[in-house]
Amino acid sequence: GENVEQHPSTLSVQEGDSAVIKCTYSDSASNYFPWYKQELGKGPQLIIDIRSNVGEKKDQRIAVTLNKTAKHFSLHITETQPEDSAVYFCAASRYGGSQGNLIFGKGTKLSVKP
Amino acid sequence: GAGVSQSPSNKVTEKGKDVELRCDPISGHTALYWYRQRLGQGLEFLIYFQGNSAPDKSGLPSDRFSAERTGESVSTLTIQRTQQEDSAVYLCASSLVPRTADSPLHFGNGTRLTVT
Repeated sequence: GENVEQHPSTLSVQEGDSAVIKCTYSDSASNYFPWYKQELGKGPQLIIDIRSNVGEKKDQRIAVTLNKTAKHFSLHITETQPEDSAVYFCAASRYGGSQGNLIFGKGTKLSVKP
Repeated sequence: GAGVSQSPSNKVTEKGKDVELRCDPISGHTALYWYRQRLGQGLEFLIYFQGNSAPDKSGLPSDRFSAERTGESVSTLTIQRTQQEDSAVYLCASSLVPRTADSPLHFGNGTRLTVT
């Protein structure tokens, strides 16, 4: 089955700097890669996603890149702000198949220092 | 509109007792998922419901865990004879269509279960 590895487990940056979180996946059939942000005491919320027919997607300060050959994808946050501090999860999934679940990475705790 | 609602938000129980966790998905969402999140860990898939199809139970860790869903409405996750290792946050999510292809998962805030 699918296995998703996420690095780093913790990341501390200064406000205004960029943050990059990387994930690798094992199932070459995976074709949907969302990123979720989880604030303390809350459930994860989708912040951006990418499908395998696209190499990069951007939404304001957030971007995701996908390298299908290497089976890795990354989240880039530019001009970080203290409110970006949270735990970020990557995930991978096949859609159109029989599985119903996303496989999540173990998360990255991002701390943005003012 | 209203999001995914889970109750209770916190539950403390004694080892060996049974617990029941409830999830109210977003109205109209046909797919419903349960995940478990241990402290400082990622999300562990437990079970998935899609409409009237047989649920995907492949993530349930033991036969002490079970879940039900009536139609496209409320779901309950039951843990029998709880053990301390069951302590975790149990998250429920729903989506408009399965597979999240065009509809992302919407998570509730979870139920924090503590087994003493």
